[in-house]
Amino acid sequence: GAGVSQSPSNKVTEKGKDVELRCDPISGHTALYWYRQSLGQGLEFLIYFQGNSAPDKSGLPSDRFSAERTGGSVSTLTIQRTQQEDSAVYLCASSPGTSYNEQFFGPGTRLTVL
Amino acid sequence: DAKTTQPPSMDCAEGRAANLPCNHSTISGNEYVYWYRQIHSQGPQYIIHGLKNNETNEMASLIITEDRKSSTLILPHATLRDTAVYYCIVRVLSGNQFYFGTGTSLTVIP
Repeated sequence: GAGVSQSPSNKVTEKGKDVELRCDPISGHTALYWYRQSLGQGLEFLIYFQGNSAPDKSGLPSDRFSAERTGGSVSTLTIQRTQQEDSAVYLCASSPGTSYNEQFFGPGTRLTVL
Repeated sequence: DAKTTQPPSMDCAEGRAANLPCNHSTISGNEYVYWYRQIHSQGPQYIIHGLKNNETNEMASLIITEDRKSSTLILPHATLRDTAVYYCIVRVLSGNQFYFGTGTSLTVIP
């Protein structure tokens, strides 16, 4: 079946602009995660959605970052007033639920802020 | 959250067993150990997980010490396609967050 998809695959933007990154999880998966991976670094947790529960936003680095998940499916990560330090690969993952052990990752969106 | 410590890099000859260590000395009794790997330019891929007992699947084996303070991921016959960064993760129960460190960069040498 189809895996997790993310769009765009690459995004180049100018400092100060807003960007939106999209994640389509595997159909039926109730849990959705966003991570950020800077060059040569490990994954940094950003935000987590589970069903209709309030999202866990504890990993968002600043109030310029926000995310929503409409209808329990597609998620959008928005970065306002982008800075050069926001340049990274943004990864989305989904899983069937909180008690499920495996996360299924998408290919990521490479964001470059000039 | 329990933290994990892994060597930054390792080499392994093709066809030999790759043994990747991980220290997690502050792990709680109900926290699991997970291993993922990330091949260059791809998203991470689940490998295996365990709580107390050793585990084996088609990809790898996981050996957890009796005190659970460390574990070893074993790739029994490493191939060039196993070259990747391997992450050892201890699962935080609340929120189901997975905290990835910087992992071990494994290079399988022909």
